[in-house]
Amino acid sequence: QSGLTQPPSVSGAPGQRVTIYCTGSSSNIGTGYDVHWYQQLPGTAPKLLIYDNSNRPSGVPDRFSGSKSGASASLAITGLQAEDEGDYYCQAYDIGLSGVIFGGGTKLTVL
Amino acid sequence: QITLKESGPTLVKPTQTLTLTCSFSGFSLTTRGLGVGWIRQAPGKALEWLALIYWDDDKRYSPFLKSRLTITKDASKNEVVLRMTNMDPVDTATYYCALTDEAFDVWGQGTMVTVSS
Repeated sequence: QSGLTQPPSVSGAPGQRVTIYCTGSSSNIGTGYDVHWYQQLPGTAPKLLIYDNSNRPSGVPDRFSGSKSGASASLAITGLQAEDEGDYYCQAYDIGLSGVIFGGGTKLTVL
Repeated sequence: QITLKESGPTLVKPTQTLTLTCSFSGFSLTTRGLGVGWIRQAPGKALEWLALIYWDDDKRYSPFLKSRLTITKDASKNEVVLRMTNMDPVDTATYYCALTDEAFDVWGQGTMVTVSS
């Protein structure tokens, strides 16, 4: 299945900054569709973290930020905390598939 | 407060049809722009989108599973139902429903479905 490409894992020490990249193509991110990010903590359902590339839902700390450029997007987490450890997924719409696609997920480890 | 909750069988046999219900509160599926989607996650795997139904009954399906899926809604009962035919052990997963306008804004807790004889 085609989709969005994310690194399998990233890590950082408490207090540090990490960035997770999401690479798409001309049929999804590159054609202008918005990117959304989800956080899935161990044993829980996914939670919306960033919507429309760079917007935070109410209650999401400003340590989390998103951006988009061309056919890629990124999620930055500053001031890493132990409770940030979990899986992070990007999501967009794909015109070729006429449907929703998710990235493969990135496991964040806080060292 | 918006909540969604999935319900259905925890165990189905291969070739059987799975029927899952998403019961929700805090919003109406008659509201313009809103929809409910189904997403699944096999153990240790990534999220996989399955289907969407919108306020105006517009329906979208994953092209990889389209022939096996049917999504319907009953806005008066605040329910969305997903049917998946010809279940196989590879369909073993946690199935989530979620409210969407653009992103999947609010998710249910998920329901684990095991496919085994």
